[in-house]
Amino acid sequence: DTEVTQTPKHLVMGMTNKKSLKCEQHMGHRAMYWYKQKAKKPPELMFVYSYEKLSINESVPSRFSPECPNSSLLNLHLHALQPEDSALYLCASSPWGTSGRAAQYFGAGTRLSVL
Amino acid sequence: DQQVKQNSPSLSVQEGRISILNCDYTNSMFDYFLWYKKYPAEGPTFLISISSIKDKNEDGRFTVFLNKSAKHLSLHIVPSQPGDSAVYFCAASAKETSGSRLTFGEGTQLTVNP
Repeated sequence: DTEVTQTPKHLVMGMTNKKSLKCEQHMGHRAMYWYKQKAKKPPELMFVYSYEKLSINESVPSRFSPECPNSSLLNLHLHALQPEDSALYLCASSPWGTSGRAAQYFGAGTRLSVL
Repeated sequence: DQQVKQNSPSLSVQEGRISILNCDYTNSMFDYFLWYKKYPAEGPTFLISISSIKDKNEDGRFTVFLNKSAKHLSLHIVPSQPGDSAVYFCAASAKETSGSRLTFGEGTQLTVNP
């Protein structure tokens, strides 16, 4: 089983709203990731959690706030977003921490529209 | 600076024939390479990977070739099927800069015609 589950699949929010994206995996993976993908572009790394600790933050604006409550769950809290933040947000996981070498397995993504 | 390049934005092949997708990289520290397939409105699906200690890895219809001296890798799909029509991303990572940080190419849209 290589399933990463993301909810919701679609989200529309205003610029003053607060919302959260959720990601779950039950493969025992110890590294989890958030990516942002614009149309016809490759995924851009936002955050990496390794063994439930934030290990990489790619200079993402503070209106995006990640959280890793446990080894299976990853959240991305959104607040005061801008229309240019509209994109597909992807979660991924990989078996080992950032020192390991393995494929990342992606969820289906959340399609976010900011009005 | 684009460290992973897929110079062909699109590729069209006939069903049953071979599809060859190409990827070039510039960072000599990259030592692990992956190919992902992406359908519209879905996340990327991992296909196959190769470590720099190998020059070939095969999994069913998919074979990845790595030419380290040329900093080039390719994905061969044989035989191609209409269901293979998708965007294919090449990705690379370097152990020294965190083994989990993937650098993606821009992708190649593969269309397999029946």
